[in-house]
Order: sequence, then structure tokens, then C-alpha cells
Amino acid sequence: DTGVSQDPRHKITKRGQNVTFRCDPISEHNRLYWYRQTLGQGPEFLTYFQNEAQLEKSRLLSDRFSAERPKGSFSTLEIQRTEQGDSAMYLCASSLTGDTGELFFGEGSRLTVL
Amino acid sequence: LAKTTQPISMDSYEGQEVNITCSHNNIATNDYITWYQQFPSQGPRFIIQGYKTKVTNEVASLFIPADRKSSTLSLPRVSLSDTAVYYCLVGGSSMYSGGGADGLTFGKGTHLIIQP
Repeated sequence: DTGVSQDPRHKITKRGQNVTFRCDPISEHNRLYWYRQTLGQGPEFLTYFQNEAQLEKSRLLSDRFSAERPKGSFSTLEIQRTEQGDSAMYLCASSLTGDTGELFFGEGSRLTVL
Repeated sequence: LAKTTQPISMDSYEGQEVNITCSHNNIATNDYITWYQQFPSQGPRFIIQGYKTKVTNEVASLFIPADRKSSTLSLPRVSLSDTAVYYCLVGGSSMYSGGGADGLTFGKGTHLIIQP
């Protein structure tokens, strides 16, 4: 499968714990995006990378959220000190620079905070 | 940031043509219009993109009037499997040049239900 892959697909954690999600984009895609989606809402943009550079991070929900893409390939999204309100689907997408909009999404990582 | 307005839900029947209209009165000169489809528990999937007039691909058509303040996604001869949420996104011109992410904002979308 050469699509965007995300891991884990499901994560259940207790409030206050840290969680990390991984995204492997389509191999030739140099742009990578993170979104959050809650029930009944559209995906909410969080951040994106071009290669290893994080070009937009002002929409990360709080300082508990951080993302990295150290070698310009896979990316991780970490949530520290999770809260129940962090329960959501976290989606990753990738695209090519110069394309005008086709984002390729993964299946998402569903987080449940107890 | 160009805000979009879509109907919250629509119903139709198998075999019918479905048209979903999106309003984007504040669209900027360089903005593109992009539509995505999303099934439950899956990530959105790109359907079609356009800038002006009409664009057609193997799954849909996109109609954009001259003033570009709205767009209509047309799905020909829908089937039950077209039941999904459809999102209209507008923007991205600055993002595609390495700037901000204004073209990456999804609204609540249109929940399309196709009945037998």
C-alpha cells in the first residue's frame, strides 16, 4: 500500500498521559499536514510541513500539542497531558509542492481520553 | 480567509443527478475551489478542483460562475455508495506559494444521503 499510513489507528489513554501519533506520507510528497476531527465537524487544520520545515503552527490547539518531521519523511504529533477534550480523530495528509489542492489523507488515529 | 457556506444535508435517490452548491462570497482572485468526500471513519478524499467555468472528471463536474462567488458540485447518477459528507474548500493560493494555510479549512460540509 503506497498511501498515507497512520499509527496507531486507535489509542485509549488516561487523562494526563502523553500520546504520540505517527504519520508516514506518500513517499514522494514533501508536504505533510495534521488535522483534528471531532464528531459531526469537519477536519480542523492544525499544522503543516514542507519537507522538515514547519511552515504553519499557529493553529495548534495549545502548547500541549507539538509536531515534528525531523528528516522530511514521517511525522509525529504529540499531545502532552491529555485532556478529555482531546478525544478526536487525528488525520494526516500529504501532497506535492506545486499541486493546487489535492491532499491525500490517511485513515486517521482515533484518540479516546478517559 | 474565504468562508464557505453549504447546506447541512441533502437527500436524493439512486440514479438521480445531485447538485451541491457552495457559497464563497469573499473568494480572492488567486483562490481555487476544491471539493472533498468523506465516509465515516475515513479521511477525506479529493473529488475535484477548479478555478473558473467548468471542470469535469470521471466522478463529478464542478460549475463555477463568472463571479466565482459560488460553485456547484454535480454528481451524475448517484448510487447508495455516494452517501457521504461533501466539503467545499476555498483558498490556498498563498499556501501553494509557501505561505499560509487558508486553503486548508474545512467547514461542516454537506451530509448527502442517497436512498434506494
